Amino acid sequence: GQNIDQPTEMTATEGAIVQINCTYQTSGFNGLFWYQQHAGEAPTFLSYNVLDGLEEKGRFSSFLSRSKGYSYLLLKELQMKDSASYLCAVEGSNYQLIWGAGTKLIIKP
Amino acid sequence: DSGVTQTPKHLITATGQRVTLRCSPRSGDLSVYWYQQSLDQGLQFLIQYYNGEERAKGNILERFSAQQFPDLHSELNLSSLELGDSALYFCASSVFPVQEGAYEQYFGPGTRLTVT
Repeated sequence: GQNIDQPTEMTATEGAIVQINCTYQTSGFNGLFWYQQHAGEAPTFLSYNVLDGLEEKGRFSSFLSRSKGYSYLLLKELQMKDSASYLCAVEGSNYQLIWGAGTKLIIKP
Repeated sequence: DSGVTQTPKHLITATGQRVTLRCSPRSGDLSVYWYQQSLDQGLQFLIQYYNGEERAKGNILERFSAQQFPDLHSELNLSSLELGDSALYFCASSVFPVQEGAYEQYFGPGTRLTVT
């Protein structure tokens, strides 16, 4: 079957660094997406990885290891506005996105 | 603003009723996706249309149906509504297919459906 696992909830401190992990088992792999979703709002695109390695975009970075079926999202210099859910999604061989349940990130002052 | 519009923003209706949710994709996007998100739950993929044709089906109930019109807007019809259908319904669009493994979905603001 196809499966994406993420921690349900994480807590971090303002100004710190947090890493949100995502492991996946899918039929085929064409790429991995990270989305941010604030409560009651629409998901918004953060990053896309198709090759192994680290993609950096400002305070956010995303890493992929295809051989391990593993990705992480790294958030640096955390701000209160980063409190949100972070969704990992994998594009399978038929170009369909398979979504994880999301990780709720709580930032404390 | 993602460029995807959804109407209505809120909808309150009674059990057993039928509603229609509407979505207009971003200009140039041919593919439309519908998702359901219940309170504190993940996104559940319902159905995808590409250029008017059904492309993929997810966990969509038989009471639900959708279509994409020639102008590329899409409608999601929910009938015989139950209390458990109360959720946020998102529409997303993308340029799929543009090239292998390279498209992102842009989400609309969602329609919050409350069934009483």
